[in-house]
Amino acid sequence: NAGVMQNPRHLVRRRGQEARLRCSPMKGHSHVYWYRQLPEEGLKFMVYLQKENIIDESGMPKERFSAEFPKEGPSILRIQQVVRGDSAAYFCASSPPGAQTGQPQHFGDGTRLSIL
Amino acid sequence: RKEVEQDPGPFNVPEGATVAFNCTYSNSASQSFFWYRQDCRKEPKLLMSVYSSGNEDGRFTAQLNRASQYISLLIRDSKLSDSATYLCVVNAGAGKSTFGDGTTLTVKP
Repeated sequence: NAGVMQNPRHLVRRRGQEARLRCSPMKGHSHVYWYRQLPEEGLKFMVYLQKENIIDESGMPKERFSAEFPKEGPSILRIQQVVRGDSAAYFCASSPPGAQTGQPQHFGDGTRLSIL
Repeated sequence: RKEVEQDPGPFNVPEGATVAFNCTYSNSASQSFFWYRQDCRKEPKLLMSVYSSGNEDGRFTAQLNRASQYISLLIRDSKLSDSATYLCVVNAGAGKSTFGDGTTLTVKP
């Protein structure tokens, strides 16, 4: 049973380029969450999605960042015009239906984004 | 005030010691609680859920005090492999979970 799959594991971009991070949830999971972890800091919630819907994006920066979870395919976190401060580990997590009742989240290995 | 607060540590203990971490949360409507561990900035892994009656899993015991809004994790007979950052997680419903910044534990020989 495959877990949460994230790719790429490592991504290097130059300032001004775009970064696309992908996340496929665990089989049977319909809720996806994205978190960012800056060096020497804790996990920070970014966005919570269900298929074709953004449920909570209160942690997303207002500019340059967007996320989607289409009907088919993985969830995508997109960062446009990257800056050095975007360098971080980006973790995706998923949980099964019934997340309203507090199912634990299961994490992918993360994508380490480095901005040159 | 942060929604979930943890003592960052670090806690440095010898092998075999008993160590306890506390975590406080601000949202009294919080519904579910978890402890995760994170090794060397790898992905967080679920350690255990926390139930109102308290629960135990081997050397690990988790407790919840709703009245005082805190959660605890007790580790008995510490092993070197317990060295990690322990994250307190609180879910207030509607899917979103809030993570504490973590408590770092180092177990030394």
